[in-house]
Formats: sequence, C-alpha cells, structure tokens
Amino acid sequence: DTAVSQTPKYLVTQMGNDKSIKCEQNLGHDTMYWYKQDSKKFLKIMFSYNNKELIINETVPNRFSPKSPDKAHLNLHINSLELGDSAVYFCASSQDGTGGNEQYFGPGTRLTVT
Amino acid sequence: GENVEQHPSTLSVQEGDSAVIKCTYSDSASNYFPWYKQELGKRPQLIIDIRSNVGEKKDQRIAVTLNKTAKHFSLHITETQPEDSAVYFCAASPDTGNQFYFGTGTSLTVIP
Repeated sequence: DTAVSQTPKYLVTQMGNDKSIKCEQNLGHDTMYWYKQDSKKFLKIMFSYNNKELIINETVPNRFSPKSPDKAHLNLHINSLELGDSAVYFCASSQDGTGGNEQYFGPGTRLTVT
Repeated sequence: GENVEQHPSTLSVQEGDSAVIKCTYSDSASNYFPWYKQELGKRPQLIIDIRSNVGEKKDQRIAVTLNKTAKHFSLHITETQPEDSAVYFCAASPDTGNQFYFGTGTSLTVIP
C-alpha cells in the first residue's frame, strides 16, 4: 500500500504540449507539495497546499498550475511545455504544515520534453 | 528567506571509513533539520532528523550534530558500506509555515 503515489512515472512529450501529473497520498496528511529536481539533483519546492489551499507558490512560471480537488490529491498541470521543463517532479506530503514534520515523497515523474 | 548550503558536493570514501557532510543555514527561525537519502532513480527518504532543542542524535551508524549558535549541522556516517552510496540532502525548516529548504546535495560513493 503505497503512501504517496504519482502517475505517470515517465512522461515524454514535445514542446508546446500540455500535460498533467497526478499525485495521491493515503496517509491522511494535511499538506502536499510539488518539487522539481533538475539534472544537477537540486530539489526545489514549487508549490505547497494545506487542506486544499495554496500556501506556497515559489517563483514558478504561470504555465504551471497546481490543483487540489481534496486534501489527498494534488495534481500538476503544465501548459506549453518547454525544453527547460525536463526534470524529475516529486510530490510529497507531511502531516501538517508546521514545517517540523517529515516529508514523504512520491516515486517521482521523469518528464522529458523534446 | 532561508539559505541552506551543503558541502561537499561529492565525497568518496573507502568502505569502513567515516563520511561527514556539513550544512549551514541562515534563518535563526529554522529549528527542524532533517537529512534525506536518495538512491539512484529513487525517491528521497528521511534517514535522521534533529530539532533545535537537541545538540546531537544518533541512530546506529548515523549521527547528526547541530550547532544552533553557529547555524550549522552535520551528518556523520561511520563504518560506511557500499549501500550507503547515494545522494544526501540536508534541509532546514521553521516550526511555523510550510517551507522546507533543501541543501544542494552530496553524492557519496563508498568504494568497496
């Protein structure tokens, strides 16, 4: 029983396309996150949602739009994909948004834009 | 905002030797400091964490030390084994807010 799951695991698409990545957690956590990990392995937070409300929105192009239909799901939609969007995207969740709690990561989605 | 620096970026040690990875942070409001291990192609996973009311914490071969005055914390791995080879990330987080600030990662290679 996977705690944090993401689909798809791999995504190959062409520039200009629109794509979505889905994330679900069955831990009952209140807070969910999206991270981008580039080729140099840097882990950069993109968004944070607490109980379906956007809490953090780092400097991310507005082509990226997160959507949280309920607190167990946080999806990431990307419009007009660019080459520089190629990366591994990790979803994560934590018990609440106080910051002092372990983050549980999903398996990652490797996005390749050609 | 918080700035977390991590050194070294790569580290190679002989099996059985110790490995030390160091991180510094800038925001005195940070008081939770986890360490994550990411094996090749896998997700980051928590291996140990420390809070600011504690100076040191140990779990078998892994220990973390925190110097809140100097704003730095370190991961120590003793008797390293090949399966310790991975990328290690430190992070800093305040108790309030939802922010986690990750270091830039250290790629550790343990040579058999």
